[in-house]
Amino acid sequence: ELKVEQNPLFLSMQEGKNYTIYCNYSTTSDRLYWYRQDPGKSLESLFVLLSNGAVKQEGRLMASLDTKARLSTLHITAAVHDLSATYFCAVDRTQGGSEKLVFGKGTKLTVNP
Amino acid sequence: DSGVTQTPKHLITATGQRVTLRCSPRSGDLSVYWYQQSLDQGLQFLIQYYNGEERAKGNILERFSAQQFPDLHSELNLSSLELGDSALYFCASSVAGTSGMDTQYFGPGTRLTVL
Repeated sequence: ELKVEQNPLFLSMQEGKNYTIYCNYSTTSDRLYWYRQDPGKSLESLFVLLSNGAVKQEGRLMASLDTKARLSTLHITAAVHDLSATYFCAVDRTQGGSEKLVFGKGTKLTVNP
Repeated sequence: DSGVTQTPKHLITATGQRVTLRCSPRSGDLSVYWYQQSLDQGLQFLIQYYNGEERAKGNILERFSAQQFPDLHSELNLSSLELGDSALYFCASSVAGTSGMDTQYFGPGTRLTVL
């Protein structure tokens, strides 16, 4: 059974600091997704990582994928308050022409002034 | 705005009752997925439909069922509701959902409260 683990689950950081969220998964997959969720809101797609060594950047967020280590990281650079949200990684589980995403528990990020 | 719509936004009902949640996918998307988000279980995949046919099942209870109609909208039916069914139910859609190459776009969710 595919398991996805994120850490940390809670992260409180000051504006201007850098930090990394980690996402480990238990079985082979070449596709990993990062989503953002604001309180009471839906999930917003941030990144889709499709191959080993993939790196994507958008603003202060950068995501990378190492399929051999079964590890993805979401790096936050010079955090700002607007980045406060819960971040989920999800791994694609494609079987027999169907797809489902298996999500980590999420990392709740709070950026303090 | 992802282009995926869900109704209703909120639903409050009593134990033992039955409710129907509705989802309209993004224009052109053939796959619809249902997820349940609760504090204790996190985000869990329930079921996927592709062009009217069931494609994948996850942790969906027997009391729950879904279907996708010819116009591609989908409904999730929850019956004999229990307190533990209180959760946020998300619908997502993707272009095909059969190749592992599609991003899933999530709707705003339906918050179900069972009293």
